[in-house]
Amino acid sequence: GEDVEQSLFLSVREGDSSVINCTYTDSSSTYLYWYKQEPGAGLQLLTYIFSNMDMKQDQRLTVLLNKKDKHLSLRIADTQTGDSAIYFCAERYSGAGSYQLTFGKGTKLSVIP
Amino acid sequence: DTAVSQTPKYLVTQMGNDKSIKCEQNLGHDTMYWYKQDSKKFLKIMFSYNNKELIINETVPNRFSPKSPDKAHLNLHINSLELGDSAVYFCASSQAGTGLNEQYFGPGTRLTVT
Repeated sequence: GEDVEQSLFLSVREGDSSVINCTYTDSSSTYLYWYKQEPGAGLQLLTYIFSNMDMKQDQRLTVLLNKKDKHLSLRIADTQTGDSAIYFCAERYSGAGSYQLTFGKGTKLSVIP
Repeated sequence: DTAVSQTPKYLVTQMGNDKSIKCEQNLGHDTMYWYKQDSKKFLKIMFSYNNKELIINETVPNRFSPKSPDKAHLNLHINSLELGDSAVYFCASSQAGTGLNEQYFGPGTRLTVT
């Protein structure tokens, strides 16, 4: 079945850039997503990229997609303490006539002041 | 206004009991989901449901059953609760179609089985 892999932990200093990596398996995925989960809360969509794009930039966030290697990354510039959260990579796949999401295990980002 | 709401936020119960978690969305979405997040924060889809079909993750025990009284609600009923059912359960909703299909998550229900 579909599988999404990401490293579990990342620690950076405030002001540095954070890069969270993800690999996925379904080459037919049309959308790939990054969700953010703050402590004690549900997931919220942070950003996404369509499969015909290589890069998407949204303020401090840059998403890079390498379709050949099935590799997705999220770069957060000038990381702030408020960015401390768990970041989930997800791919969309088609199953039984509807779309489903497969989530990675989540990367816990810790920002050191 | 809350887009996806769940009740209760916390649920503590004993093994063997039957319990329900309610979920409501006011976004007009046609698809709703239940996810289980374990103590390591791993997130697994349990069910997705729209007015046409229920898709069940084959790893979900049949003690778990979703019930949808209408398009805006998808409740999760759990029979004969076990210790391993302790987790945070998230409801989510999205609009089906070929677009973004962004899923909106509820705040979660922390279930503790003692």
